[in-house]
Amino acid sequence: GAGVSQTPSNKVTEKGKYVELRCDPISGHTALYWYRQSLGQGPEFLIYFQGTGAADDSGLPNDRFFAVRPEGSVSTLKIQRTERGDSAVYLCASSPPTRDTQYFGPGTRLTVL
Amino acid sequence: AQKITQTQPGMFVQEKEAVTLDCTYDTSDPSYGLFWYKQPSSGEMIFLIYQGSYDQQNATEGRYSLNFQKARKSANLVISASQLGDSAMYFCAMREEGEGKLIFGQGTELSVKP
Repeated sequence: GAGVSQTPSNKVTEKGKYVELRCDPISGHTALYWYRQSLGQGPEFLIYFQGTGAADDSGLPNDRFFAVRPEGSVSTLKIQRTERGDSAVYLCASSPPTRDTQYFGPGTRLTVL
Repeated sequence: AQKITQTQPGMFVQEKEAVTLDCTYDTSDPSYGLFWYKQPSSGEMIFLIYQGSYDQQNATEGRYSLNFQKARKSANLVISASQLGDSAMYFCAMREEGEGKLIFGQGTELSVKP
């Protein structure tokens, strides 16, 4: 079946602009996760949804970052007033109701100039 | 305190040989899960293997096995019969009971030599 998909695959923006990153999880997966991976590092947790609600947003670095999952499927990560330090690969993952394993998408590479 | 430690930034192995990638973890939670992921140069994180803290036997998945030593808090990944396609970054991760998030280590870059 289809895996987790993320769009766009690459996004280049200018400092101060607003960006939206989209994640489409595997069908039937109830949990959805966002991570950020900087060069040479392991992924770092940002936020986790169980259904439509954010179960844990403790990883969001500041209030410029926000994520939604209005219908319990597709999620959008929104970054306001982007900064150069936001440049990273943003990874989305989903997991089914009965398993712990998270399955990752290909990521969105965000570059803030 | 760092919860997942991968002390080998880079490893080399000869094709067809076995290799062990080290991972130690730190948690006070008695219930947790340990995961290994592979990240090729294409960037996608590929799930390899899972070990639950209460599992009695070490997990195995094809050429991958997890050497789980609970008292030592280690969860090393063993890859048998290495192939050129195994060249990638490998990440160890942990999920504590009641938490959704995975906590990742810094990764180990494995290079398989022909």
